[in-house]
Amino acid sequence: EPEVTQTPSHQVTQMGQEVILRCVPISNHLYFYWYRQILGQKVEFLVSFYNNEISEKSEIFDDQFSVERPDGSNFTLKIRSTKLEDSAMYFCASSDSKQFFGPGTRLTVL
Amino acid sequence: GENVEQHPSTLSVQEGDSAVIKCTYSDSASNYFPWYKQELGKRPQLIIDIRSNVGEKKDQRIAVTLNKTAKHFSLHITETQPEDSAVYFCAASTESNYQLIWGAGTKLIIKP
Repeated sequence: EPEVTQTPSHQVTQMGQEVILRCVPISNHLYFYWYRQILGQKVEFLVSFYNNEISEKSEIFDDQFSVERPDGSNFTLKIRSTKLEDSAMYFCASSDSKQFFGPGTRLTVL
Repeated sequence: GENVEQHPSTLSVQEGDSAVIKCTYSDSASNYFPWYKQELGKRPQLIIDIRSNVGEKKDQRIAVTLNKTAKHFSLHITETQPEDSAVYFCAASTESNYQLIWGAGTKLIIKP
């Protein structure tokens, strides 16, 4: 059964550095998402992407964040200048009519 | 915007008993309500979902009920087993491809 995949599984970075989180959605899905989950808390929506553009974004998704679909398979989340509070698990999801999640990237900002 | 409340935050039941988790939502335009199960350190897994044109849906030991008038929906797990132990999240959306607004989660503990 096809699954969403994400790399890396764990990313450690220094505050102020840029990070790029990568996702490969399920191949026939058209909608893509990024969510984050701070340890022990609820899942929070960041952004959705459809037809090569952002369709919705939350207040969390400020100018430090950007998303891109650089080719036919990858979907990336870039955080331009990481802050301590960006430390979280970042989940990518894709959807045809139901949202399926990747295994997540644990981002640790030191 | 939409707000989803979930109760209880922790639920401990004896193996074999039933578990019920409840969620309420605020936006009457919401019409898609999935439930996800998340084991420790793993991804959220979709276990069941319901749309607003249906009042109840069942899949083996799992069922979801929806009351649109009262704006609440519930997850029912019967004959609980140790592998049901996890955190369960409800969510709501106006369309299944739109952003999901999540509840805070319920940690379900199945006592042997």
